[in-house]
Order: sequence, then C-alpha cells, then structure tokens
Amino acid sequence: DIQVTQSPSSLSASVGDRVTITCRASLGIGNNLAWYQQETGKPPRLLIYGASTLQSGVPSRFSGSGSGTDFTLTISGLQPEDVATYYCQKYTSVPYAFGPGTKVEI
Amino acid sequence: DVRLVQSGAEVKKPGESLKISCETSGYTFSSYWIAWLRQLPGRGLECVGIIFPGDSDTKYSPSFQGQVTISADKSTRTAYLQWSSLKSSDTATYYCARTYSSSSKGVFEIWGQGTVVTVS
Repeated sequence: DIQVTQSPSSLSASVGDRVTITCRASLGIGNNLAWYQQETGKPPRLLIYGASTLQSGVPSRFSGSGSGTDFTLTISGLQPEDVATYYCQKYTSVPYAFGPGTKVEI
Repeated sequence: DVRLVQSGAEVKKPGESLKISCETSGYTFSSYWIAWLRQLPGRGLECVGIIFPGDSDTKYSPSFQGQVTISADKSTRTAYLQWSSLKSSDTATYYCARTYSSSSKGVFEIWGQGTVVTVS
C-alpha cells in the first residue's frame, strides 16, 4: 500500500505568517491528493482536492501544489481561525491513506 | 442543503454487537459514494470503507475487511456501519462522509458530526 507522510508534525507561527506543510507519498499518485482541516472537536473540512483545486467556500489564502510524490499546502497569511490540524490524503485507490497530521498553532 | 446526521454516542462491552447510522438529506442518495472513517482518540484519520448506495458496491480498507460491515438503505437514505463483536480497540470516533462526486470515490466533501463509540 502507498504510505503518506507529512512534515512537520506541528508548528507555531504568528498571525500573518506564510505557513507551508509538506506531504509525501511513497509512490507516485499523480494529482490524487486532498487536504483537510480539522479543528478540535469537529469533523474534518475539505480544503483542496486534485492537489491544487480549492474547494468552494475555502479562503483564497489556502493553496496547494505538487504532483507525483511531493505536495505542499500553503497558508498565505495565517489567521487565528486557522488553528487546527491539517491532513493530506491520497485517493488513487482503497485504502485512502491519510497523513499523520500537522498541528498548526498561533 | 446537504446534511449527514449520525446516530448518538454508544457505550458497549467487548463482544457486543453495534450498528451506527448516517442519515442523509439534500441530494440524490444513490448517486454519491459514502465513506466511513475512524479516528482513534487523539490520533489521525483512517478510511474504514466506502459504499455506493445505487448498487451497494462496497470497498473495505484491508485492515478493516472482515471486521465491520457497511450497508446502505435507499428507502431511508441511510448508511450503516456495524460490528458483530466489538473489541476495546474499536473505541474511537466514527465519521461518515459523502464524496465530492460520483466519480471521485476518495474525496470527502460533506461530513457527519461523528459518533463516539466506547467499548469497555
């Protein structure tokens, strides 16, 4: 099975900072990668799919890039409401593996 | 408005059976995949499996195959996740989620609120 890793596992940044989270797949997955945001005590929220397509309603400060094995989620101008854990997920085929998550704090 | 509403929290003993539900509304139930996902306490997300209610095509992640059963009832627009014999290691929050489209089986756009299952 294809494994998915993320780095860093956690980060602390200031309001307005540019934040970058990296996701790596153990084999190439094309652009079959999604990013989710999960606030404490809430279900996850889809942010990006197709590696770079922003889900409707998601602020434009979120962006995704990459293909194959290496992917990036960028938050351009961190806001207090962005405090959450972020997960990447590959969806080429079952099992749809998630990364271990990156906890973002202010 | 698309909504997925899950059944309430459960407390069970090891060896007991359980069936939790995900009632949907606001879209054509038969046309989108529904997934069940597990989140262990303080941990990340795992996909248990997915079902296409239109024809009941079901796919399980290997680590959950044989451990749970996913089903769907078109008449009530409800998906189910069930266990025949619970273990303490099944203690987790379980989410149902609808896919973004009928062709994107693995992109989970709409989520239920989660069902906390405690086995002790």
